[in-house]
Amino acid sequence: QSVLTQPPSVSAAPGQKVTISCSGSNSNIGNNYVSWYQQLPGTAPKLLIYNNDKRPSGIPDRFSGSKSGTSATLGITGLQTGDEADYYCGTWDGSLKSVVFGGGTKLTVL
Amino acid sequence: QVQLVESGGGLVKPGGSLRLSCAASGFSFSDYYMSWIRQVPGKGLEWISYMSSSGGAIYYADSVKGRFTISRDNAKNSLYLQMNSLGAEDTALYYCARRSWESSGYYFDYWGQGILVTVSP
Repeated sequence: QSVLTQPPSVSAAPGQKVTISCSGSNSNIGNNYVSWYQQLPGTAPKLLIYNNDKRPSGIPDRFSGSKSGTSATLGITGLQTGDEADYYCGTWDGSLKSVVFGGGTKLTVL
Repeated sequence: QVQLVESGGGLVKPGGSLRLSCAASGFSFSDYYMSWIRQVPGKGLEWISYMSSSGGAIYYADSVKGRFTISRDNAKNSLYLQMNSLGAEDTALYYCARRSWESSGYYFDYWGQGILVTVSP
């Protein structure tokens, strides 16, 4: 059972938009920045979003992040088949004194 | 370019030990916190430890506390994970990751390719 809760799977058609939620508590998301990672099949995770809504250089603006209270959301617009991957949210938990991740969400582009 | 390359994984019997290494290049290793994160094949990510740039601050997940020891050699640009009393639950792909920061936000901006550790009789 992950400290951060993500939906196990989401799906949408090419060109459409999808959002992935990440729910936590005051000890983690509520008081810390959230980052998002994309893990393509058979590869290591890759940083997609940091500090809630910032994109590292090289990440297209089709990817966006937001945070409100104890929840965060990853948005992906203009879906491509190459976006099919597992997506994870992560943050620091001040009570656990530990980095925590969501359980991951598998994105399928139909 | 930033590179992180893990080594030292393999098959080990329950109760055994293993030492993982992570060779870093392409950045000033001594300026960054470094971390180990693992992933059971087909499952999610589990953070297990990080160490500050100087080695003065160390954190462990409860699941490995007392059994795993993180260390680093800044002169060799290397991060290590000594794993003792290994059990089947430690079977996973182990990633070395660089922890970056901006405006008090922390995140893992570079990851190694991962090294597989299998604990089995």
